[in-house]
Amino acid sequence: AQSVTQPDIHITVSEGASLELRCNYSYGATPYLFWYVQSPGQGLQLLLKYFSGDTLVQGIKGFEAEFKRSQSSFNLRKPSVHWSDAAEYFCAVGMKTSYDKVIFGPGTSLSVIP
Amino acid sequence: DAGITQSPRYKITETGRQVTLMCHQTWSHSYMFWYRQDLGHGLRLIYYSAAADITDKGEVPDGYVVSRSKTENFPLTLESATRSQTSVYFCASRRDYEQYFGPGTRLTVT
Repeated sequence: AQSVTQPDIHITVSEGASLELRCNYSYGATPYLFWYVQSPGQGLQLLLKYFSGDTLVQGIKGFEAEFKRSQSSFNLRKPSVHWSDAAEYFCAVGMKTSYDKVIFGPGTSLSVIP
Repeated sequence: DAGITQSPRYKITETGRQVTLMCHQTWSHSYMFWYRQDLGHGLRLIYYSAAADITDKGEVPDGYVVSRSKTENFPLTLESATRSQTSVYFCASRRDYEQYFGPGTRLTVT
């Protein structure tokens, strides 16, 4: 069955430190991959997406993610975290089905220490 | 402004009552979705719609009803609310694979 895992439920980093959020998926074909961010009380906003081509994708707010087919991973990175990055981050996988299904991971909550 | 709006943003209701959550989008996207968000579960798909008058079940449809008479509107109805339906509900529309989310409705069933 298709699934998305985010091994870290909660991560705390200091402002200015680097960040990596992990995402692994289980799917038989090449998926479409997404990272969304949710600020408190808000809906989800797309950070970046991978459909094909270059496996390192750049997104908004200085985030990037790398697709590694051999590891079934799509980890999100940022070289220097800002206090405003504190939020919930969701990895999602899209797959070709009757309605182009998208499955969301359980989310990783990021806290930033000033 | 273009986008997705949801109403109400907050709702408290009693067990057994019927509740309708509204969703409106201004882009004319064909696909629309309803998700519920619960701690530890991420987002789970309740229902989706591929176009006006075309709807289908997602992962967790029991206890919910949807309709889509117009492309821009996709209301979600809880026919007889239960405490297990206390959640945050998100509506989304989609262009290609990219989903655009509304701000959510926080529903509490007492």
